[in-house]
Amino acid sequence: SQTIHQWPATLVQPVGSPLSLECTVEGTSNPNLYWYRQAAGRGLQLLFYSVGIGQISSEVPQNLSASRPQDRQFILSSKKLLLSDSGFYLCAWGAVLAGGGEQFFGPGTRLTVL
Amino acid sequence: EDQVTQSPEALRLQEGESSSLNCSYTVSGLRGLFWYRQDPGKGPEFLFTLYSAGEEKEKERLKATLTKKESFLHITAPKPEDSATYLCAVPSNSGYSTLTFGKGTMLLVSP
Repeated sequence: SQTIHQWPATLVQPVGSPLSLECTVEGTSNPNLYWYRQAAGRGLQLLFYSVGIGQISSEVPQNLSASRPQDRQFILSSKKLLLSDSGFYLCAWGAVLAGGGEQFFGPGTRLTVL
Repeated sequence: EDQVTQSPEALRLQEGESSSLNCSYTVSGLRGLFWYRQDPGKGPEFLFTLYSAGEEKEKERLKATLTKKESFLHITAPKPEDSATYLCAVPSNSGYSTLTFGKGTMLLVSP
């Protein structure tokens, strides 16, 4: 069966510090991978998605970036965090299907920027 | 632009009091509608996929139905452990395997 891991689970970082969140998927090959942010009381905002190694699409211009160095590894980064980067970050994977399909989420990382 | 609207935003029920949550969508050529359950501080958990009008899916006390314009998540005789936020989503029209999510309905079931 497929599993998805995210770490760390919680993170408190000062403004201006760098960020690296990691997501790995087990039990599937060549998945689509996604990074979402969920702010308090708001819906899920898609940040980045990837259909293959080295292929990243950005949905929202911001100071975050994503990379996919391996088939089942997805990394979210920032060089300098802003207060507005606080939120709940979720990684998800989906099977490669034309036109979309189910996505399965990891446990999330709670990021607080002070 | 794809739109997914969920109502109500919040719903409070007594244990055993059945009700329904609504998810209305405006997308051209629906290619599936997905329901998720999200507990506080956790990632959304996949519940159902519905593909065509008239389709129904059930899981324990939950039943999801789909029409051409909306989906309902019926909760029969809910228990406190059904308390969660329920999200629905549809494939985005961009054609890149992305989903558009509604903002969710927060359900609280009191004993």
